[in-house]
Amino acid sequence: AQKVTQAQTEISVVEKEDVTLDCVYETRDTTYYLFWYKQPPSGELVFLIRRNSFDEQNEISGRYSWNFQKSTSSFNFTITASQVVDSAVYFCALSELSWGSARQLTFGSGTQLTVLP
Amino acid sequence: DTAVSQTPKYLVTQMGNDKSIKCEQNLGHDTMYWYKQDSKKFLKIMFSYNNKELIINETVPNRFSPKSPDKAHLNLHINSLELGDSAVYFCASSQVGLGGKETQYFGPGTRLLVL
Repeated sequence: AQKVTQAQTEISVVEKEDVTLDCVYETRDTTYYLFWYKQPPSGELVFLIRRNSFDEQNEISGRYSWNFQKSTSSFNFTITASQVVDSAVYFCALSELSWGSARQLTFGSGTQLTVLP
Repeated sequence: DTAVSQTPKYLVTQMGNDKSIKCEQNLGHDTMYWYKQDSKKFLKIMFSYNNKELIINETVPNRFSPKSPDKAHLNLHINSLELGDSAVYFCASSQVGLGGKETQYFGPGTRLLVL
């Protein structure tokens, strides 16, 4: 069965610090997708990135970067020069083929990031 | 031009009542989902529909019944509400692309409180 572990329950940093959110996953599939979602205090779930299991290139988008390492089954997320608006719960998720054409998302337990001014 | 919308946003009701939550997506996606987020923020899938057909049905009490009148809508009806049903319910939609690429986009959530 698939599993996603986010060992960091809460992280606090001071504005402008860099912060890395860890994500470790387990799956028996060879084809799968990994995601990060952000849930700000307003409560909605915002899609940040999708990465497929065949693409281990790191990705950078502005202050956000993602490090996918298949060898360690990790998909870590780094925010550079954090800002107060980055304060949110961040979820890592894994998608495997369930049945039919649906891919079931399994979420980690989330990491609450607080960025202090 | 909201992509995935849910109504109502907040729902406060008494134990034993029956209530419905509606979800609509205007993304043209074939697949829609219901997730439950508990008080500890844990997110778990409940149901998935593809082209109006139920394809994922996790271990959910049969008091919960999804209904998909068309592929743009997936409603969730809950009978005989219990205190433990208090949670945030998220609707999501997705479209499987080439190579199985798929991203689920979520609605704003419905905060259900059962008293």
